[in-house]
Amino acid sequence: DTAVSQTPKYLVTQMGNDKSIKCEQNLGHDTMYWYKQDSKKFLKIMFSYNNKELIINETVPNRFSPKSPDKAHLNLHINSLELGDSAVYFCASGGTATNEKLFFGSGTQLSVL
Amino acid sequence: GEDVEQSLFLSVREGDSSVINCTYTDSSSTYLYWYKQEPGAGLQLLTYIFSNMDMKQDQRLTVLLNKKDKHLSLRIADTQTGDSAIYFCAESKRYGGSQGNLIFGKGTKLSVKP
Repeated sequence: DTAVSQTPKYLVTQMGNDKSIKCEQNLGHDTMYWYKQDSKKFLKIMFSYNNKELIINETVPNRFSPKSPDKAHLNLHINSLELGDSAVYFCASGGTATNEKLFFGSGTQLSVL
Repeated sequence: GEDVEQSLFLSVREGDSSVINCTYTDSSSTYLYWYKQEPGAGLQLLTYIFSNMDMKQDQRLTVLLNKKDKHLSLRIADTQTGDSAIYFCAESKRYGGSQGNLIFGKGTKLSVKP
């Protein structure tokens, strides 16, 4: 069983479109995250979310929004996609005081044409 | 400068030991991590060390932490071709109520030659 799964694995779309990436974790963690890996492999946190608080990295454009229907899911919605949004997006869960390890999904490679 | 720095490339021969070094800046980091990323794959947590430890060994992996110098290293004994990947060092920072804000280095690409 995959601990953190995200879909789709690849996403190719046109500039200006709106798209979503889904993430699910079956680890029972309270906190989930989205990270972005750019073309130079640099990883940076975008959001941290649990049922009590959403923390947004201030560098993330407001076209990006996380949506959590329940504790096991954190989806990433992106509006008005731009060329610069092309990257690999990783979902993760864990990282709390009692579950300090962070587990990552396998990534979604987004290509904006 | 960057919060976490590591050299970009390392090349070793199969059977040798690999040592990947990392420096970080935040002395309040509670945990320090090593992640492995194989081509086209996600991030796999290899090992982590609590900041009050100096060393942690897990089979072929040895992590050394020098808190005074803010230096972390990962030693892979008897390196195999399957160890070829990018290795990321990361420090944790509090992010609201979580430790999940990982500040990653840019990754060290390990190439293992037969």
